[in-house]
Amino acid sequence: NAGVTQTPKFQVLKTGQSMTLQCAQDMNHNSMYWYRQDPGMGLRLIYYSASEGTTDKGEVPNGYNVSRLNKREFSLRLESAAPSQTSVYFCASSEGSGDQPQHFGDGTRLSIL
Amino acid sequence: RKEVEQDPGPFNVPEGATVAFNCTYSNSASQSFFWYRQDCRKEPKLLMSVYSSGNEDGRFTAQLNRASQYISLLIRDSKLSDSATYLCVVTTSSNTGKLIFGQGTTLQVKP
Repeated sequence: NAGVTQTPKFQVLKTGQSMTLQCAQDMNHNSMYWYRQDPGMGLRLIYYSASEGTTDKGEVPNGYNVSRLNKREFSLRLESAAPSQTSVYFCASSEGSGDQPQHFGDGTRLSIL
Repeated sequence: RKEVEQDPGPFNVPEGATVAFNCTYSNSASQSFFWYRQDCRKEPKLLMSVYSSGNEDGRFTAQLNRASQYISLLIRDSKLSDSATYLCVVTTSSNTGKLIFGQGTTLQVKP
């Protein structure tokens, strides 16, 4: 019963490197989300995908791109990593409507040196 | 002003105590309300939804006051396992499911 699976769990990058965070859900959910969590800031929405084939910016999209590859998978890409992107990244999914709970992955702890 | 505001705490209480957290939200168009729980270095998990009529789940009671734009969570008979950060969450869009998170209130239950 996997739920939402994120890979990798930990990553260290150098400034300027690129990488893609992977997320997959097996609950047949329509909507998927990427958040970052920083101390004292709470979770902030980076991008979301309300349904397969659509993506929209959240609160803090700069420096990121996303791809909703299919209904199951939603990836987050850092094209040129910066130290300010050091954070814990969470992927989540929900059935879609606003009154449905979101289910989160374990998170990816990303450090940019 | 933040869209969702919580007192970060920490709240330090003895086992068996009753503790209450409040959360205020700024958007009067907010539609759905939740409390999530997050353990240290873990992912957030839904604790309970918050309904206008108030709702209870065991030792946990959630209340919504739309007129004053605040949400509360009451925990009775605190257990050591209740130690966590409690996130107040609001959504303003029924179509996208976008959630706005408060920064969380930390609870530490002591023996």
